[in-house]
Amino acid sequence: AQKVTQAQTEISVVEKEDVTLDCVYETRDTTYYLFWYKQPPSGELVFLIRRNSFDEQNEISGRYSWNFQKSTSSFNFTITASQVVDSAVYFCALSEQGGKLIFGQGTELSVKP
Amino acid sequence: DVKVTQSSRYLVKRTGEKVFLECVQDMDHENMFWYRQDPGLGLRLIYFSYDVKMKEKGDIPEGYSVSREKKERFSLILESASTNQTSMYLCASSLVLGKRGNQPQHFGDGTRLSIL
Repeated sequence: AQKVTQAQTEISVVEKEDVTLDCVYETRDTTYYLFWYKQPPSGELVFLIRRNSFDEQNEISGRYSWNFQKSTSSFNFTITASQVVDSAVYFCALSEQGGKLIFGQGTELSVKP
Repeated sequence: DVKVTQSSRYLVKRTGEKVFLECVQDMDHENMFWYRQDPGLGLRLIYFSYDVKMKEKGDIPEGYSVSREKKERFSLILESASTNQTSMYLCASSLVLGKRGNQPQHFGDGTRLSIL
């Protein structure tokens, strides 16, 4: 069965610290996509990144970076020099056939000034 | 810009009422989805639709139905609301491109529904 696990329920850091959010997935598919979403207190889920299973290159976007490792079925998300505005719930998701997504339970990140 | 609009941010209803949650997208997306979000459980798929008048059950369809009469609108219906349906409801839409779920879903702001 397909599954996404975000073992960290809550993380609390102080501003400017680096923080890594873990995501481990299970799938029998050879072709799949992984996503990260951010949900700020306002409620809307904001799409951050999509990665396909054939592309294991790490990606960096400003203070955000993603480490995709197929060998360990992980797709971890690192925020460098965290800021208070990064406080949100972050969801990792795995694609299913037909455009459906399977979401992890989410990690609530709190960045304190 | 991508826009998914849910009709209400907050809604309070009574048990036994028939409740309608509306969602409209302006991106001509084929796929539309309804999720509910509960603490510790993440997002769980209730129903989804690939096209007008088409619907498929998700993981937790019991107690819900949906309607998609127009491509841009996807309605979630609670046939007889119960207190265990108190939750945050999120609507999403996405493009179809190929057979794999390779397009990101775009979400509305959510409706926080309380059933008293």
